[in-house]
Amino acid sequence: DTEVTQTPKHLVMGMTNKKSLKCEQHMGHRAMYWYKQKAKKPPELMFVYSYEKLSINESVPSRFSPECPNSSLLNLHLHALQPEDSALYLCASSQWGTGDTIYFGEGSWLTVV
Amino acid sequence: KNEVEQSPQNLTAQEGEFITINCSYSVGISALHWLQQHPGGGIVSLFMLSSGKKKHGRLIATINIQEKHSSLHITASHPRDSAVYICAARVYFGNEKLTFGTGTRLTIIP
Repeated sequence: DTEVTQTPKHLVMGMTNKKSLKCEQHMGHRAMYWYKQKAKKPPELMFVYSYEKLSINESVPSRFSPECPNSSLLNLHLHALQPEDSALYLCASSQWGTGDTIYFGEGSWLTVV
Repeated sequence: KNEVEQSPQNLTAQEGEFITINCSYSVGISALHWLQQHPGGGIVSLFMLSSGKKKHGRLIATINIQEKHSSLHITASHPRDSAVYICAARVYFGNEKLTFGTGTRLTIIP
């Protein structure tokens, strides 16, 4: 199984809503990532978890709150988002520190209205 | 100036043509990834290179560490190869941060 599964595929939320994006992998990878991608731009790193601990936070606003409940799951909790946060949110995973291949999910398309 | 530069930004070619996409980087890297992204959004990892050359089917990737340059080649291109191709540099082992190029939008016309 070389899949990274993201749910939901599409999400529309209001600026006062609270929602979550979910990511799951069963490859035994100990590094998991959240990326944000705007149209026609490359992905931008948001967070990196290694061994379920947050290791990189790229100065992301606190309205985005990551969580890694176990080695297979990664969540991104969303609260009080702005319309400019509308984007494709990509989850990825890899082995940690080995320079191994990185696997991406299909992404969650988020629209904030 | 971006740490990872790609060229061309857009490329349109006829089916069957040989395609080359270039990637130059200015930082020290431990590995360079070539990624493919279709309009649906998901990203597929094509290659990870730290030296030399790799081949998978019609795709070939090369890297020259001294010149800080990598190329992705597609032989006998096909319309299904139409996608955005992104190179991404892994800065050094232990830091799992990738620095992405701006991408090359490839369109293959039947």
